[in-house]
Amino acid sequence: EAGVAQSPRYKIIEKRQSVAFWCNPISGHATLYWYQQILGQGPKLLIQFQNNGVVDDSQLPKDRFSAERLKGVDSTLKIQPAKLEDSAVYLCASSRTSGSISEQFFGPGTRLTVL
Amino acid sequence: SQELEQSPQSLIVQEGKNLTINCTSSKTLYGLYWYKQKYGEGLIFLMMLQKGGEEKSHEKITAKLDEKKQQSSLHITASQPSHAGIYLCGADMDSGYALNFGKGTSLLVTP
Repeated sequence: EAGVAQSPRYKIIEKRQSVAFWCNPISGHATLYWYQQILGQGPKLLIQFQNNGVVDDSQLPKDRFSAERLKGVDSTLKIQPAKLEDSAVYLCASSRTSGSISEQFFGPGTRLTVL
Repeated sequence: SQELEQSPQSLIVQEGKNLTINCTSSKTLYGLYWYKQKYGEGLIFLMMLQKGGEEKSHEKITAKLDEKKQQSSLHITASQPSHAGIYLCGADMDSGYALNFGKGTSLLVTP
């Protein structure tokens, strides 16, 4: 089966600009996650969707970050305006169900550099 | 504060040697995952442990979860250059299924 797809793979922007990332999870996976991974750190959850509903967005900086998952499939993560500290790899992951523990499959990530 | 502690932070071993990476939590874990990451790439799933005392193996990699479900170890036997990368432990700590991750262990295998 095809893996989790993300685009773009790399993005360089200046601070205060806006940027959007796209994720296409594995077909049939109900749960979708966005993680932020700063250099030298482990990934940190930003938001979790179950189908098209938000399960957990407690660590999402809502003053500048937003995410949506229309129709419970693809998802976009937006940053507006970007700050220097947003430089990181943004990872999308999906899993089959949220009713039980199941393997999370990760995409290749989008590496964001904010200048 | 970091809820999952990994040790060591980095490791350099000679090809053919064995090594162990540890992951420790102050809370009981609902599930413990091990992933491998190469620079610039996403996370590759290695193993998932759920039950206290559980042990799983794949090729030359073995992972264990202790009885109290607060510590896991990843053991690589007869390391090879292909084992090089960053090893991350991730855990479901509140049954919400999203993962908390450690900072990772960087492994380099020298010829």
